[in-house]
Amino acid sequence: DAGVIQSPRHEVTEMGQEVTLRCKPISGHNSLFWYRQTMMRGLELLIYFNNNVPIDDSGMPEDRFSAKMPNASFSTLKIQPSEPRDSAVYFCASSWWRGQNTGELFFGEGSRLTVL
Amino acid sequence: GQQLNQSPQSMFIQEGEDVSMNCTSSSIFNTWLWYKQEPGEGPVLLIALYKAGELTSNGRLTAQFGITRKDSFLNISASIPSDVGIYFCAGFTSGTYKYIFGTGTRLKVLA
Repeated sequence: DAGVIQSPRHEVTEMGQEVTLRCKPISGHNSLFWYRQTMMRGLELLIYFNNNVPIDDSGMPEDRFSAKMPNASFSTLKIQPSEPRDSAVYFCASSWWRGQNTGELFFGEGSRLTVL
Repeated sequence: GQQLNQSPQSMFIQEGEDVSMNCTSSSIFNTWLWYKQEPGEGPVLLIALYKAGELTSNGRLTAQFGITRKDSFLNISASIPSDVGIYFCAGFTSGTYKYIFGTGTRLKVLA
């Protein structure tokens, strides 16, 4: 089975440019998460969706960040305009929620973003 | 954001030694997960725990869901060089429907 697929794996851009990161969750999973990882702050939850609906976006740093999930098999995280402090590895992860307990969370290989 | 307290932060051990690490929280969790991350890769799930007191093994790895539901432990027996990486714990709470991650334990194995 294919795991969580992210693209691009690496992105280098200049400050002020728009960045779009893409994610395809594991087929059949109903929840999708976007995380950001840096040395200083570790893994931070940015936003998560359940059944394609954004549930909690309180981790999104500011209005420059936006995320969409138009269908069960695709999500995007957009940064516009990008700034050097956005440089990080962005992970997408998916899981299957079932009531009180939830399923395992599976990560993609990440998108390493460098903003010059 | 909210994080779990994970210790130790780093470990240097000799090949063949056993390793123990743990995560603690002030909050109760319904699920505990343990991951390993290698450079340039995403975290890979090692073990999932769903019940207080549960003890689960995956090869040389053994993890336990603490009785208080506020902590979890991971043990690696007879370490080998390929065990090198960063190990993360994660707790899930149905109250917030969020997975909260520990700060990681960086493991280095000396051959």
